[in-house]
Amino acid sequence: QIVLTQSPAIMSASPGEKVTMTCSASSSVSYMYWYQQKPGSSPRLLIYDTSTLASGVPVRFSGSGSGTSYSLTISRMEAEDAATFYCQHWSGYPLTFGGGTKLELK
Amino acid sequence: QVQLKESGPGLVAPSQSLSITCTVSGLSLTSYDISWIRQPPGEGLEWLGVIWTGGGTNYNSAFLSRLTINKDNSKSQVFLKMNSLQTDDTAIYYCVRVGGDHYFDYWGQGTTLTVSS
Repeated sequence: QIVLTQSPAIMSASPGEKVTMTCSASSSVSYMYWYQQKPGSSPRLLIYDTSTLASGVPVRFSGSGSGTSYSLTISRMEAEDAATFYCQHWSGYPLTFGGGTKLELK
Repeated sequence: QVQLKESGPGLVAPSQSLSITCTVSGLSLTSYDISWIRQPPGEGLEWLGVIWTGGGTNYNSAFLSRLTINKDNSKSQVFLKMNSLQTDDTAIYYCVRVGGDHYFDYWGQGTTLTVSS
C-alpha cells in the first residue's frame, strides 16, 4: 500500500504568518486530497485534485505538488485555521491517509 | 441539503459483531458512492471500504475477512457489518459521500463505538 508521511507532525504559527505543511508518498500518486479536522468535529474537505479548493474554503488555502511530494499552504494564518490536517490519496487500494499535521495558534 | 447520519450500538463486547446504519438525505445512493472511514481515539483516519452506486464493493484488505458493506437504495441506507471485534476497533465510524472521482466531500457526524467487556 502507498504510505503517506506528513510533516511536521505538530507546528505552530502566529496570525498573519505563512504556513506550509508537506505530504510525502511512498510511491507516485496522481492527485492529493486535503482535509481539515477540528476537535470534536468530522473532517472537512479542503482541497481536491491536488490544487482545487473545495466549496466555501477560503482562498488563503492552496495546494500543490506532483508525483510523491505534495504540500498545503496557508498564505496568512488565522485563528480559525488551528486544526489537524490530513492528506489522502486514491491511486490504488487501499486508499490511505497521512498521519496528520496538527497546526496550533502561536 | 446533503446529510449523512450514522447510528450504531455504542458499546460492543470483544469477539462480537458490529452493525452500523448510515441514513442519507439530499442525495441518491444510485448516483453517489459511499465509503466508511474510522478514527480511533486521538489517532488518524483509516479507510474501511466503499460501496459503488451499482452495489459493488471494495474493501481495505486489512478488513477483508470480517467486513461487509451493503445498502438499500429505496431506504437511502448504507450498512456496515464487522465481525470479531477487538478493543483496537474502538473508534468513531464515519460514513462519507464520495465526490468527484476519489475524494470525500460530505461526512456524517460519526458514531462512536467502544469495544469492551
